[in-house]
Amino acid sequence: DVKVTQSSRYLVKRTGEKVFLECVQDMDHENMFWYRQDPGLGLRLIYFSYDVKMKEKGDIPEGYSVSREKKERFSLILESASTNQTSMYLCASSLLPGQGARKTQYFGPGTRLLVL
Amino acid sequence: SQQGEEDPQALSIQEGENATMNCSYKTSINNLQWYRQNSGRGLVHLILIRSNEREKHSGRLRVTLDTSKKSSSLLITASRAADTASYFCATDSGANSKLTFGKGITLSVRP
Repeated sequence: DVKVTQSSRYLVKRTGEKVFLECVQDMDHENMFWYRQDPGLGLRLIYFSYDVKMKEKGDIPEGYSVSREKKERFSLILESASTNQTSMYLCASSLLPGQGARKTQYFGPGTRLLVL
Repeated sequence: SQQGEEDPQALSIQEGENATMNCSYKTSINNLQWYRQNSGRGLVHLILIRSNEREKHSGRLRVTLDTSKKSSSLLITASRAADTASYFCATDSGANSKLTFGKGITLSVRP
C-alpha cells in the first residue's frame, strides 16, 4: 500500500513565523502535491512537483513556497505565517500521467495548522 | 478553480438505505474520480471512471458518467454507519497529473 506521511497532525504557530510542513511518500511516485482545505471551499492546489527540483504553481501559491530535494520528500514553506493561512494542509502523491489509474492521488492524513 | 460541483451538499440517510450523490463539471475531462474523507483525515480514492466509460462498479459502489450532461453520480448501496464521511469528485482534463476537486458532500448514515 502507498503510504504518505506528514510531519505533524496539529501545529500552532505565531504570525510572522516561518513554517515548514513536510511530506514523505514511500512508493517512488514522481508527482507530489500540496493542497489546503477550508470549509465551503473544498481542496485548492497550492503547488505541485513532477520531479526532483521541479515545481509548478497551483491555484493559490501566494504566501507559500515549496522544496523538493529528494523524490520522496516534498516540503511546503510558509515564509511568514499569517492568520489567513490557518487551514488543513493535505499532501498527496501520484505516478506520472499515463493510463487513467495513474492519475489516482494518494493522500497523507493532513496537518491542521493554526496561526495565532 | 473549481471544476466539479457536488450535489447535494449534505445528505442524511438511515443505515441500509442507498445514497446517491451527484457531481457536475464544466469542461471536457479525461477521467472522473470519487474520493472519501473521514472527519479530520486525508482523502481516500474510491473509484475512477474514464471518459469513454458509462458505468463502473466496485463492491457497494456504482458510478455513472454522462459526458453529454457533464455529470456523474455515485451510488452507495446498503449504506452503513461507517460510510459516514465527506465525498469528493475530482476531474482531470489535461496531460498533466493535476486534479480539480469539488467542494464535497457530507454524508451522514444514521444507525
